[in-house]
Amino acid sequence: ETGVTQSPTHLIKTRGQQVTLRCSSQSGHNTVSWYQQALGQGPQFIFQYYREEENGRGNFPPRFSGLQFPNYSSELNVNALELDDSALYLCASSLYGEAFFGQGTRLTVV
Amino acid sequence: QKEVEQDPGPLSVPEGAIVSLNCTYSNSAFQYFMWYRQYSRKGPELLMYTYSSGNKEDGRFTAQVDKSSKYISLFIRDSQPSDSATYLCAMSGGDDKIIFGKGTRLHILP
Repeated sequence: ETGVTQSPTHLIKTRGQQVTLRCSSQSGHNTVSWYQQALGQGPQFIFQYYREEENGRGNFPPRFSGLQFPNYSSELNVNALELDDSALYLCASSLYGEAFFGQGTRLTVV
Repeated sequence: QKEVEQDPGPLSVPEGAIVSLNCTYSNSAFQYFMWYRQYSRKGPELLMYTYSSGNKEDGRFTAQVDKSSKYISLFIRDSQPSDSATYLCAMSGGDDKIIFGKGTRLHILP
């Protein structure tokens, strides 16, 4: 186990709705990154938070947003859900470069 | 050209064989190279983490990085059925933004 926990494990949303995914990072890790993994693909970088500030963003639209809290846990918010947002969402925490992933949240948009 | 290229497989080998997995990349700024193992419907598990060129060994696993050729490899000795999974190569330039390959599906046949 990596010590990175994500919730919920699965959820189903309707197109146009909003969703919030949560991540608790490994103890002592001050950097949290979020990735989207479509079926049969490698994870794609969404964004990264370091000490509560966004510290890099991949090629995702502004309707993907996030937060990091003082205890380094994090949220990923997605507004105006689209069918193509259906994927496994992964959270990774790191301290000195080595990133450890949680089990992911599988989001299905119908 | 994608930043990271990885043959998706599937790759099937008999139990006990040596497995060779490979990736090529185009971005010469990459300094950190990783291999992750991902079981179905699970998050990626970090197997190997290396910096710059060279070899690293951990039990039955050996990672090789050739920066001059922009080529990385993972070797698995004495392969076991429990090694059946998807193997993701990954790399970063040190900013914790990780770029992944698509993953290679590996089947070890008993």
